[in-house]
Amino acid sequence: GAGVSQSPSNKVTEKGKDVELRCDPISGHTALYWYRQSLGQGLEFLIYFQGNSAPDKSGLPSDRFSAERTGGSVSTLTIQRTQQEDSAVYLCASSLDRGFHNEQFFGPGTRLTVL
Amino acid sequence: AQSVTQLGSHVSVSEGALVLLRCNYSSSVPPYLFWYVQYPNQGLQLLLKYTSAATLVKGINGFEAEFKKSETSFHLTKPSAHMSDAAEYFCAVSGRDDKIIFGKGTRLHILP
Repeated sequence: GAGVSQSPSNKVTEKGKDVELRCDPISGHTALYWYRQSLGQGLEFLIYFQGNSAPDKSGLPSDRFSAERTGGSVSTLTIQRTQQEDSAVYLCASSLDRGFHNEQFFGPGTRLTVL
Repeated sequence: AQSVTQLGSHVSVSEGALVLLRCNYSSSVPPYLFWYVQYPNQGLQLLLKYTSAATLVKGINGFEAEFKKSETSFHLTKPSAHMSDAAEYFCAVSGRDDKIIFGKGTRLHILP
């Protein structure tokens, strides 16, 4: 079956512009996660959705970052007024049920470059 | 709270040699432990997971990891490296309701 998909695969933007990153989870997966992967820094947790609600937003680095999930499926991560330090690979994952102990299935990521 | 440390950001082994990737963790609750692998230009894929059922966990592609509570370790091993094992490997820890914490990753290089 189809895995987690993300779009775009690459995004180059200018400092100060807003960007939207999209994630399509595996059908039927109720939990959805966003991570940021920076060179040499591993994965940084950003936000977690269970259904349409976000019980844990603690990882969002600033109020420029926001995310929503509609219909318990597709999620959008929005970064406003992008800065150069936002350049990273943004990974989305989904799992069948809530709980970080469950296996997460990752998408290929969106590589964001802020000039 | 949980944390995880991976020793060595880069590890090189010869094809056919033993692979050993080190991971140490700390956790205030009984941990769940994971190893994920990331091949070039792909997302992460679960290799194996420890959930307290057995201390020696076998995963895909011939990898296994042993949970050692006394050493707070969960090292990943494979008896004989293959060229296709070249990738980045991430160790991760979580409690049941706590967010998963990933290590910084170890890039495995296989020498012909």
